[in-house]
Amino acid sequence: ETGVTQTPRHLVMGMTNKKSLKCEQHLGHNAMYWYKQSAKKPLELMFVYSLEERVENNSVPSRFSPECPNSSHLFLHLHTLQPEDSALYLCASSLTMNTEAFFGQGTRLTVV
Amino acid sequence: TQLLEQSPQFLSIQEGENLTVYCNSSSVFSSLQWYRQEPGEGPVLLVTVVTGGEVKKLKRLTFQFGDARKDSSLHITAAQPGDTGLYLCAGRGSNYKLTFGKGTLLTVNP
Repeated sequence: ETGVTQTPRHLVMGMTNKKSLKCEQHLGHNAMYWYKQSAKKPLELMFVYSLEERVENNSVPSRFSPECPNSSHLFLHLHTLQPEDSALYLCASSLTMNTEAFFGQGTRLTVV
Repeated sequence: TQLLEQSPQFLSIQEGENLTVYCNSSSVFSSLQWYRQEPGEGPVLLVTVVTGGEVKKLKRLTFQFGDARKDSSLHITAAQPGDTGLYLCAGRGSNYKLTFGKGTLLTVNP
C-alpha cells in the first residue's frame, strides 16, 4: 500500500466511449503524474501537475484529457480512444517534483 | 534525450542463487531510484541513491550508484521466489523528469 489509490483497476471500453480514470492520494504530496506503461516500452510520462497546475504535457493526443481539481485528486478523461491506447495507466505522486515518486496500482485499460 | 539501458532484459534463476542487474546511461543523474513491479500492479519504490559511489542495503538487496552517477547496479543475495518481479530503474536529470529503463524481468524458481 503506497497511499496512492487508482480506480477502476480494470476498464474495457469501446472506441466511441467516454470514461475517466481516478487517482487519489492523501500523503500530502504536491505533485501528481500520469504515466502510460505499454509492453516492451519504458514508462512514458504523460502529464505532470504541481500544486494543481499542469506543468507538463508530453505531446499526448487530445483524446486524453487530465484534470486536477485539488492536490489530492487527479483524473484522466478518455474519449474516442484507439486500440493502441490499451495499456496500464499509472498515477504517481511526490512531495515535490524533485522527490521520490510513489505509484498507484494502475488501471489496466483495454480499448476494443 | 536521456536513456537508461537495463540488462539483462530477462533473468531466470533458481532459489538461493545470487544475481546482479544493471542500469546504464551516458547521462548524469542527480538521483536514481529502483522500483519493483509485480504483474498487474504499480511499481513499488525500493531505494533512492543520490551520491556517486553510494551503496545502500535493503536486507538481501544491495544497490550501488556509479561514481560518475551515470549507472547503477542491484545485487540480490540468495534470491527467493518472492523476489520475482520487474525491476525498474529511474534516473532524475537536471530537470524534474524521471527517465525509466525498460526493466529486468526476474523469475526466481523454487
